[in-house]
This record gives sequence, C-alpha cells and structure tokens, in this order.
Amino acid sequence: KQEVTQIPAALSVPEGENLVLNCSFTDSAIYNLQWFRQDPGKGLTSLLLIQSSQREQTSGRLNASLDRSSGRSTLYIAASQPGDSATYLCALHWGTGRRALTFGSGTRLQVQP
Amino acid sequence: EPEVTQTPSHQVTQMGQEVILRCVPISNHLYFYWYRQILGQKVEFLVSFYNNEISEKSEIFDDQFSVERPDGSNFTLKIRSTKLEDSAMYFCASSGRLGSGANVLTFGAGSRLTVL
Repeated sequence: KQEVTQIPAALSVPEGENLVLNCSFTDSAIYNLQWFRQDPGKGLTSLLLIQSSQREQTSGRLNASLDRSSGRSTLYIAASQPGDSATYLCALHWGTGRRALTFGSGTRLQVQP
Repeated sequence: EPEVTQTPSHQVTQMGQEVILRCVPISNHLYFYWYRQILGQKVEFLVSFYNNEISEKSEIFDDQFSVERPDGSNFTLKIRSTKLEDSAMYFCASSGRLGSGANVLTFGAGSRLTVL
C-alpha cells in the first residue's frame, strides 16, 4: 500500500522568503507525481506534474523535484508572496493499470505580508 | 481556460435521502473521476470512469454509490441512502487522452454535502 506524507503540516513565513515543502512516499514504483494547490473551500489546481523518468519541473517561481529511489519530492517556492497562501498537496499515480491518485495530507502555507 | 463545473456547490440533506451530484467535465476529456475530502482529512479517490464504464473504484465506493454519464456531457455521482459519514466535499475531475495529458487531472470546485 502506498503512503504519502507531507511535512510540515503547516508553515508560516514572511513575504519574500524562499521555502521548501516536502513529500515522501513509501512505494517508489510511481508513474508520476503532481503538486496541487487548494484554496479554502475551493477545488484543486494542478501546479506541476513530474513523470517518473524526470528529476524536476519548473513553472515560474515554482520548482518541483523528484527522487524516486529515496521516495521524496520537494516543491520549492521562490520569493514567496501573500497570494501563495494556500494548502499544497502532493499526489501520485502508482501501481499497474491504476488511475487513482493517492494524496498526501497537505502543507498549509501562510505568507505574511 | 476550460474548466470542470460542479453543481450544487452545497447540498444539505437528511440521513437516508438520495443525493445526486453533477459535473460537467472538460469537453474533449475521456477520463472522469470522483474524489472526496472529509473535513480535515486527505483527498480520497472514489471512482474513475472511461468509455462509459467504471475503470477503477476504491473500497469506499460501495453499493450505495453509483456513477453515470447520461448524455455525453454530464457526469453524475449518486448516493442512494446517505449516511452521516458521507458528509464531505466531493470533487469531480477529468483528464485527456492517453499519454501525458491523461495524467494531468483538472478538478472542479467541489460540491459540499452535509448530511444531518
């Protein structure tokens, strides 16, 4: 069974700081890993998708890395802004023929102006 | 940008009542999903649907749940006899053809179900 863990559960930083969110998983046989953003009472917005053969993906101030062998992914946010305040979820596809995403419990980020 | 639309945004129902949650996926997507999130807990997979049939379901998706794509645009989740523990946010999602596009899920804003 795949377990996805995100650390820290909550994070509060002043505006402008660079920060790293962590995601770990127990079964390295994954197809891909996605990072999502969830705003309170809203849906999930896909931020970055990393295929199992890739090491990292970048989009603007976001950079996600993947190390399958150690079962870890990180989401790096550069120069954080108050608008980045949200819950960040990692989720992955794993297992032969499965289409379900397995989610972590998320990191709740608060960026103070 | 194309989006997944869900209705209603919030529904309150009495225990034992039937509920239907509706979703309009992105028009050229082929895979459809329902996920749920109980307050304070992880997002959990319920079911995936492809080519007019269920392709995968979780142990949560028991006989009380059913899905349907009645008219080629809507995708519905029905809960036959709601229980208190069905109270959650239900998310619909869709994804595209096989290849990298099929792996990127677009989620709707969710339907909050409250069972009293």
